[in-house]
Amino acid sequence: AQKVTQAQTEISVVEKEDVTLDCVYETRDTTYYLFWYKQPPSGELVFLIRRNSFDEQNEISGRYSWNFQKSTSSFNFTITASQVVDSAVYFCALSAYSPSGAGSYQLTFGKGTKLSVIP
Amino acid sequence: DTEVTQTPKHLVMGMTNKKSLKCEQHMGHRAMYWYKQKAKKPPELMFVYSYEKLSINESVPSRFSPECPNSSLLNLHLHALQPEDSALYLCASSQDLTGGAKNIQYFGAGTRLSVL
Repeated sequence: AQKVTQAQTEISVVEKEDVTLDCVYETRDTTYYLFWYKQPPSGELVFLIRRNSFDEQNEISGRYSWNFQKSTSSFNFTITASQVVDSAVYFCALSAYSPSGAGSYQLTFGKGTKLSVIP
Repeated sequence: DTEVTQTPKHLVMGMTNKKSLKCEQHMGHRAMYWYKQKAKKPPELMFVYSYEKLSINESVPSRFSPECPNSSLLNLHLHALQPEDSALYLCASSQDLTGGAKNIQYFGAGTRLSVL
C-alpha cells in the first residue's frame, strides 16, 4: 500500500520569504513516481512536476525547486521569494503499480498543505 | 495544450433531479478519470476509463453513473443524489494507465455541485 504524508496542514509566510513544503512517502515498490500539484481557490489541480524513483536529481524551475531523497523517502518543494499568487493548496502525490487497480498506476495524494502568502 | 474542460462550473440540484457533468479533452489521451473532492480534503478517485472502457470503479454508489461515449468525452450522470454528495467533481486525463510520463494526470477546473 502507498502512503503520502504532508505534515504541514497550513503555512503562512510574508511575501518574498522562502518556504518549504514537506512530503514523505511510503511504498514497497522499487518503481514509482512522485508528483506535486497546485490547487488555487479556483479549484483546478495544476501539475507542477513528476519525478521517477530512479532519478534523484534535484530540479529547479524558476522560483520552484524540488529535493528528492530516497534515503529519507522525502520529496520536498521549496518556493523562493514567495508571491501572493503562490497562495494555494499544494498536494504531493505518489503513483505506483496497483494490481488491484486494473494493473495500472494510480495517484495516492497527501492531505495537502495550504500555503498563504501575505503581502 | 494540456487543457481539460469541464461543464458546468457550478450545479445546484435537488435530490430528485437528474443531471450530468461533462468533461472533454483533445490531447489524444486514452485514460480519463472522475474524482470527488470534499472541502479541505484531497481528491478521491471514483472511476477510471481506459480506451473508453471502465477500468476502475472505486465502489461508488449507483446514483453516480459514468459514461465514455468516445475517447475525448467523459460524462458523469447523477440521479437521486444526497446532500452529502455535495462536493467538487474533478475530471482528469492521461495518455494511458502505464507509468512514467504517460501517467501524468491533467485536471479540469471541476464542477462545484450542491445537492439540496
